[in-house]
Amino acid sequence: GQQLNQSPQSMFIQEGEDVSMNCTSSSIFNTWLWYKQDPGEGPVLLIALYKAGELTSNGRLTAQFGITRKDSFLNISASIPSDVGIYFCAGLENFGNEKLTFGTGTRLTIIP
Amino acid sequence: GAVVSQHPSRVICKSGTSVKIECRSLDFQATTMFWYRQFPKQSLMLMATSNEGSKATYEQGVEKDKFLINHASLTLSTLTVTSAHPEDSSFYICSAGKGWDQAEQYFGPGTRLTVT
Repeated sequence: GQQLNQSPQSMFIQEGEDVSMNCTSSSIFNTWLWYKQDPGEGPVLLIALYKAGELTSNGRLTAQFGITRKDSFLNISASIPSDVGIYFCAGLENFGNEKLTFGTGTRLTIIP
Repeated sequence: GAVVSQHPSRVICKSGTSVKIECRSLDFQATTMFWYRQFPKQSLMLMATSNEGSKATYEQGVEKDKFLINHASLTLSTLTVTSAHPEDSSFYICSAGKGWDQAEQYFGPGTRLTVT
């Protein structure tokens, strides 16, 4: 099936650094979602975006719905050890069609 | 809240046997639930959409006779892997939609299936 392109694929940062990752698509999505997955667990919803240009925060996380509706960005400020995990973007093409298309994932590692 | 549970969390079975995995939305009703499969270090791939009171919709390449889905109520969907083979070993995750237009999907904790 279709996947969204996420970059970077992996990141190695030091605690306290800011993190940026993005997700791009060749087609338009009407909803963008960002999830975090810990090893052996299901993804946990972080932020949901519904309008092009929308900027939404959840604590130290901020996500934006790109104007073209073909991309989205997630930023994490002042990273802490519990931020370690895999971050997935997911897009929803049509309202009423709840099939999510997932990104390839960004693995975040914090170097002690 | 939006809590989704799965049972069992981990199962080991022998080749040729069948395994049933349950997915429950604990504090909300979900007319639609989704089943995903995730192989190591890969993303989630949608297997099928489970609709309460009707047949499931399977994604291309997913055998409906092998992966039986039953959505018995607004809070329970089950996935049965029939005649399991080692290549069916994977992490199976369900989700349920909540919120405006059910766009926000909440995931269960996953079930690790190992077929020996």
